[in-house]
Amino acid sequence: SQTIHQWPATLVQPVGSPLSLECTVEGTSNPNLYWYRQAAGRGLQLLFYSVGIGQISSEVPQNLSASRPQDRQFILSSKKLLLSDSGFYLCAWRDSGTGAGYTFGSGTRLTVV
Amino acid sequence: ILNVEQSPQSLHVQEGDSTNFTCSFPSSNFYALHWYRWETAKSPEALFVMTLNGDEKKKGRISATLNTKEGYSYLYIKGSQPEDSATYLCAWLDSGNTPLVFGKGTRLSVIA
Repeated sequence: SQTIHQWPATLVQPVGSPLSLECTVEGTSNPNLYWYRQAAGRGLQLLFYSVGIGQISSEVPQNLSASRPQDRQFILSSKKLLLSDSGFYLCAWRDSGTGAGYTFGSGTRLTVV
Repeated sequence: ILNVEQSPQSLHVQEGDSTNFTCSFPSSNFYALHWYRWETAKSPEALFVMTLNGDEKKKGRISATLNTKEGYSYLYIKGSQPEDSATYLCAWLDSGNTPLVFGKGTRLSVIA
């Protein structure tokens, strides 16, 4: 069966520090992968998605970046965090080329102080 | 920008009441409409994936309908229970590979 792992669960980071959130999927190949963020009082905002290794589409070109070094690994990064980066980050996957539902990771609560 | 709108933003009902929410989405280039249930401190859980105009889906006390021609979907909860308290998200898809576009959700609170 397919599973998705996302870590860490919570993170408190100072402004200006780097960030790395990791997401891995097991039990499937060539999944579509997604990073979403929910800021306080707002809906789910798509940050990045990937349909294959090394292929990243950016929806929010700010100080965040994403990489897909392996088929089932998706990493969200920042070189210098801003206060506005605080929020709840969700990784998700679904089978490529279908309208199937997302399976979400357990989320990361990031607080930038 | 193509938006998905959900109403109401929040809802408080008494235990046992039935309730419904609305999701409106672009009626052009429709591929699928998803409903998710999102409890606080957990990840969203898929409820329904709907693809055909006139679709009706049901899971226990929760059901959903879809009108792709006019661009709306309704989610119904019959006999609400406190454990139904959550944010209900709908999301629209215009092809098999593009990302879901989520609404902001309807936050339901069921009071015992």
